[in-house]
Amino acid sequence: EPEVTQTPSHQVTQMGQEVILRCVPISNHLYFYWYRQILGQKVEFLVSFYNNEISEKSEIFDDQFSVERPDGSNFTLKIRSTKLEDSAMYFCASSRDRGTQYFGPGTRLLVL
Amino acid sequence: DAKTTQPPSMDCAEGRAANLPCNHSTISGNEYVYWYRQIHSQGPQYIIHGLKNNETNEMASLIITEDRKSSTLILPHATLRDTAVYYCIVRPLETGANNLFFGTGTRLTVIP
Repeated sequence: EPEVTQTPSHQVTQMGQEVILRCVPISNHLYFYWYRQILGQKVEFLVSFYNNEISEKSEIFDDQFSVERPDGSNFTLKIRSTKLEDSAMYFCASSRDRGTQYFGPGTRLLVL
Repeated sequence: DAKTTQPPSMDCAEGRAANLPCNHSTISGNEYVYWYRQIHSQGPQYIIHGLKNNETNEMASLIITEDRKSSTLILPHATLRDTAVYYCIVRPLETGANNLFFGTGTRLTVIP
């Protein structure tokens, strides 16, 4: 059964550094998403991406964040200058249409 | 915004049916009911969804009341691996925001 994959599984970085989180969505899916979950809190929507552009974004997704689909398989989330409060689990998801979203295992980001 | 209400926690004996309720009294005619679960800090896992008819798949059954104001997710024979947080989410498919809004869910503990 096809799955969403994410790399790395864990990332430790210093405050102010740039990080890129990578995702490989399910191959025939057209919609891509990033969510995050701060430890002990709810899963929060960050951004959705369709047809090579952002279709929706939340208030969390400010100018420090960007997304890209650099090739036909990867979908990335970049945080330009990490802050302590960016420490969280980041989940990528994909869907074939506007229906069911399938999530990856997540990347645990720790900003020191 | 939260459009569903779920009990914060429930216990279920291993091998018994787990019945997880959800209230969505303000659901609109074009909104579907989705269920996901999250085991520890893993990525949310899709379980099932429905519009107004009852649905069943290999994981669970979804019972939606006739007025669509509430639903119940049924895990017919709960195992220890079903211990997780279960999220009931309502969302439109054809129009409107495509993101998933995760509330606090129901923490199901399956007891040996």
